[in-house]
Amino acid sequence: AQKVTQAQTEISVVEKEDVTLDCVYETRDTTYYLFWYKQPPSGELVFLIRRNSFDEQNEISGRYSWNFQKSTSSFNFTITASQVVDSAVYFCALSEGRNQGGKLIFGQGTELSVKP
Amino acid sequence: DAGVTQSPTHLIKTRGQQVTLRCSPKSGHDTVSWYQQALGQGPQFIFQYYEEEERQRGNFPDRFSGHQFPNYSSELNVNALLLGDSALYLCASSLDRGLSDTQYFGPGTRLTVL
Repeated sequence: AQKVTQAQTEISVVEKEDVTLDCVYETRDTTYYLFWYKQPPSGELVFLIRRNSFDEQNEISGRYSWNFQKSTSSFNFTITASQVVDSAVYFCALSEGRNQGGKLIFGQGTELSVKP
Repeated sequence: DAGVTQSPTHLIKTRGQQVTLRCSPKSGHDTVSWYQQALGQGPQFIFQYYEEEERQRGNFPDRFSGHQFPNYSSELNVNALLLGDSALYLCASSLDRGLSDTQYFGPGTRLTVL
């Protein structure tokens, strides 16, 4: 069965620290997609990144970077030089390619608090 | 370019009542998915609509039903409300291209059942 685990419930860092949010997934499919979303206090889920299972290349976007490792079924998210505006709940999600359109299976989320 | 919109923002109902939540997808999108997010939890998939039909359904009872209109907007209906239905209801839209396309979320409707 598909499952996403975000073992870190809460993380607190001081501004400018680097922080890594862990995500481990389970799936039997060879084709699947992984996502990260940010949920600020306003409640709206903001899309950050989408990766497919055939592309293990790591990605960097500004202060954000993602490390995808199929061997360990992990898709970790690192924020470099964190800022107060990064404070939010971050969700990792999985979608299996065989389901057209693909329902998202979310982890429990990691609440990140960045203190000035 | 308008994003996903939802109405109302907040709603308070009592047990046993019925509620209808509305969603307008992002411009150009044809697929709408609904999720329920209880406090402190990740969103749970309720169902997805494409071409005015329910295409996928999560593990939710028949009290939860939906509809998609020709303009791709969608409604979520919940009958016989229970206290446990209190949650943030999120609508997400995407463009069906036969893949697990990126879903973009609206701001949600906060439902409180008393």
